[in-house]
Amino acid sequence: EPEVTQTPSHQVTQMGQEVILRCVPISNHLYFYWYRQILGQKVEFLVSFYNNEISEKSEIFDDQFSVERPDGSNFTLKIRSTKLEDSAMYFCASAGTGRVETEAFFGQGTRLTVV
Amino acid sequence: TQLLEQSPQFLSIQEGENLTVYCNSSSVFSSLQWYRQEPGEGPVLLVTVVTGGEVKKLKRLTFQFGDARKDSSLHITAAQPGDTGLYLCAGAGSGNTGKLIFGQGTTLQVKP
Repeated sequence: EPEVTQTPSHQVTQMGQEVILRCVPISNHLYFYWYRQILGQKVEFLVSFYNNEISEKSEIFDDQFSVERPDGSNFTLKIRSTKLEDSAMYFCASAGTGRVETEAFFGQGTRLTVV
Repeated sequence: TQLLEQSPQFLSIQEGENLTVYCNSSSVFSSLQWYRQEPGEGPVLLVTVVTGGEVKKLKRLTFQFGDARKDSSLHITAAQPGDTGLYLCAGAGSGNTGKLIFGQGTTLQVKP
């Protein structure tokens, strides 16, 4: 069964450092997403990506964040200068279409801990 | 701003009991999805409801979308310990990007 895979599963980084979270979406999917979940809080939308550009981003997704699909398979989320409050589970998701009834498949997440 | 409120946030019941989880909003959603999330895993889709008033069944789980498409419910009949987990509702955001807006989740514990 196709699945979304994320690496690493856990990343510990010092405040101010750059981190790159990696995702391999399902191969024939065209829509890609990043969400985050701070411990004990709801899953929050960060950004959607289609046709090699950001289609929508949330207020959370400020200039410290960027996304890229460098090689047609990987989909990355970069945080330029991490802050303590960036500590969270980050989930990548992909979907075949952007239609409302289309299932989005989520990866298992990367737990980011900023110390 | 589109928001989804889930209730209850925590539910602890005995095996065999029935339960209902609610997902409410003041906004209209074009669709609502229900996910289940295990610790350390990503959300896994259970069902999508699209039409106002729609009812979908998945074994012992019954999902309903409100007529006005502002609310949804998940009803579990004869709960089993294997139903224990975090249940999330998520609505399709405005726009056609596929963005999902999640409720805060309901943690269900079913005791044997």
